[in-house]
Parts: sequence; structure tokens; C-alpha cells
Amino acid sequence: QVQLKESGPGLVQPSQTLSLTCTVAGFSLTSYNVHWVRQPPGKGLEWMGVIWNTGGTRYNSALKSRLSISKDTSKSQVFLKMNSLQTEDTATYYCARDNYGGYRYFDFWGPGTMVTVSS
Amino acid sequence: DVQMTQSPSNLAASPGESVSINCKASKSISKYLAWYQQKPGKANKLLIYSGSTLQSGTPSRFSGSGSGTDFTLTIRNLEPEDFGLYYCQQHNEYPPTFGGGTKLELK
Repeated sequence: QVQLKESGPGLVQPSQTLSLTCTVAGFSLTSYNVHWVRQPPGKGLEWMGVIWNTGGTRYNSALKSRLSISKDTSKSQVFLKMNSLQTEDTATYYCARDNYGGYRYFDFWGPGTMVTVSS
Repeated sequence: DVQMTQSPSNLAASPGESVSINCKASKSISKYLAWYQQKPGKANKLLIYSGSTLQSGTPSRFSGSGSGTDFTLTIRNLEPEDFGLYYCQQHNEYPPTFGGGTKLELK
């Protein structure tokens, strides 16, 4: 069945780079787009970016200068890298699958991984 | 970016009752609105997309309506498992944007 699971460090120091991995199962990254969405504690959801099935990417303009999304299709993994982290980047980070038509709604989500930015 | 405004922020109801959650877009998004349920310890769940289309597995007591800028999620005959957080999201254009959320609590 379709599964996504995020992994990465739970704690990152300010100004450092965050690296997260989304490992997927039950579908191919050559057929589906995968998005990253984050949620600060007690707050709402923020879309961060997408990597399309073709390998192209698009980012939230507020994060574009710091964010990079890539993938390894053979390993069924999607990667998020974001540099210059600050305390306001403390959040739960989710990867989510776009629907088959690429219509920008998310039919499956990972459970999320909590990232705390603190020294 | 399209701003999404959800109301109310909090809602208290009892099992068996019906509730409605509203979502307003800052500009027309045609019919392209999704609704999600968020519960602790569970993956976020897509309930409805394109305004009124139920995702496979969504119970029929959930319904969505609206177009343009105003949308509503209605839950009839509330079940205990329906209590949690609900978010709307426009999927008309990039960037996808979410409402601030509605917490549905047990009265």
C-alpha cells in the first residue's frame, strides 16, 4: 500500500542546514509528484515545495533562497535541504503525495518528523 | 498567494449533531478546494477535493459545497472519531495554501 515516511535529525542548531528524507512505498516517483509541508507547533500548515515526477521543482517564494528538493527515484526517496535555519523553522515536517493528475491536493501523507532548531 | 480564511477556529458539538466549517478564499479558486482531517498520532487524511468530491474511503456523512471564494464542509450525524482538526486548502494554483484550521471538540 501507499506509504510515506520522513526521517532526519530531531535537533538542528541555528544557522545550520536541515536535511530530511522522505522514503516512499507503493508508488513510483516517476509517476507522482511529492510535496513538503510543515507545521510549527500549535500553528497551521505551510506548503514548502514540490518535486514533480519529471524531476522539476517549485518552491514557496518565502523559502526559495534556502530550500532545495531532490530525489533518487531508484531508492524511492525524496530529499529536502534547507539552510540557515532559525528558531522559527521549528516545526513538524511532512512529505505528501500529490494526486495522480498533479492537481495539487495531497492524497497520502507521511506521519511527519518534528524538527527543533535550538542551540 | 491566495489567502484562505477558515471559520470558526473552534467548534464544540456532541455525537449525532451536524456541524459546518467555512473556508473563504481571497480570490476565486473555481471549485478547487480540499479538506483534510488532522488527528494526533495519525497521518493527515484527505476528505474531499475539488470542492465536493469525496476521497475514496471518506464516509458519506461528510459533504463539501461551494465555488468561487466560499466553501463549506458539513459533517452530519457526528461520530466520536470525527473530533479533531480540520484544514481547507486551495488547489487551484501554486502555491497551495491552507486555512488556519478548525478544532472540532466534544461538547
